[in-house]
Parts: sequence; C-alpha cells; structure tokens
Amino acid sequence: KAGVTQTPRYLIKTRGQQVTLSCSPISGHRSVSWYQQTPGQGLQFLFEYFSETQRNKGNFPGRFSGRQFSNSRSEMNVSTLELGDSALYLCASSPSAGNSYEQYFGPGTRLTVT
Amino acid sequence: SQQGEEDPQALSIQEGENATMNCSYKTSINNLQWYRQNSGRGLVHLILIRSNEREKHSGRLRVTLDTSKKSSSLLITASRAADTASYFCATVTMDTGRRALTFGSGTRLQVQP
Repeated sequence: KAGVTQTPRYLIKTRGQQVTLSCSPISGHRSVSWYQQTPGQGLQFLFEYFSETQRNKGNFPGRFSGRQFSNSRSEMNVSTLELGDSALYLCASSPSAGNSYEQYFGPGTRLTVT
Repeated sequence: SQQGEEDPQALSIQEGENATMNCSYKTSINNLQWYRQNSGRGLVHLILIRSNEREKHSGRLRVTLDTSKKSSSLLITASRAADTASYFCATVTMDTGRRALTFGSGTRLQVQP
C-alpha cells in the first residue's frame, strides 16, 4: 500500500496570507489527524477527522481549520498567517476509530511564514 | 500541552551499545506508543503497549510500562548508526469517546559508528 502523502512538501508564505495543505491517507484508513511541530512547542495535536466529521480538536485558534472528503483525503487551512505558524505540519492516518490510535505519518509540509 | 516528559533530552552512544530512553506522563492512559523521527521527516510507529501490559518486545526494541509510576522506558539493544533519530513517546487517552494522542518532548539519539 502507498503511504500517507502530503502536498506541498515545502511552502513559503507571507504574514497575513492563508494556506491550504493537503493529505492523502493510506487506502482504507478513515481517520486523519493533523499535528504541528515546532522546536519550541514540540508536537501538538491540531484535529482529527473520521468519516468526514471532526472528532477532536486541539488548543489552536480558529484560524486553523480542516475538513475531510468522502474519499478520506483531508485538507487543513490556516488563515491570516503569523510568523509563529512557521512549522512542520504532519498528517497521520489511522485504520480505525478504536482506542489503539496507531498513527501512520506522512513526510510533512514545511511551512515558512515571512 | 504535552503529556509526556522524556529523559534524557539527548543521548550519544557508540555503535553496539544499548540505548535507554524514559518517558513520564501525567494522566491515566489507554496505551502508550513510541515513534521515531529522522531529522525533519515524518514519524514512524515503533511499538504500542497497552495499559494492562508491563513489557513488550519487537526485534531490538524492548518497552516497559509502569502505570503506578506513570512511566515507560524504551530500550534499543545493539544500536546501529541507522538508529540515529529522535524518539517520542505518545500516550493515548479516551475521554467521552474522543481519543487524543499526546506526544512527549522527545529524546535525540546519536549513535556514533
């Protein structure tokens, strides 16, 4: 099976702009989660989608949003970018909604905000 | 916020030696997982240990879990240069049907050839 893919891999944006990141999960996986990784804050959970519904959300401002399509592909959007949004954004898929929550990660999108 | 604290933050060993990393967490968990991340890349799932298990093995990896102390350790035996990476513990909690996976701060392992 192909792994989790994320596009684009690298992105440079200007403060105030918005950005959309895309994630394609492993075939058959219905859960997609998003994480932000920065040197200062480490890995932080953004949100999880399962069958097109947001199941859980982390502690991020409303500028961060996401959605999931019927084919399980997911997008996350960040509006009004701030310098502090510069980070590696990781997407992960999981085969079930159960409590094992084993995650399969994509390579990430490196976002730089200038 | 991060659930887990890992110790040490960085570890440098010679090839062939064993590497031990520790993880402490704060709340009751459903399971604990360990992941590896090569520099700036995605994470790779290594092993999962459930809250009712005390020890688990996978190849050169050995994980222990002590729920009374809210701690876990990852042992990599006979380390190789290719084991150089950051290692993260992650705890799974379930709350009113919503699950959350919370990562620790990570241990950077350097294996010298």
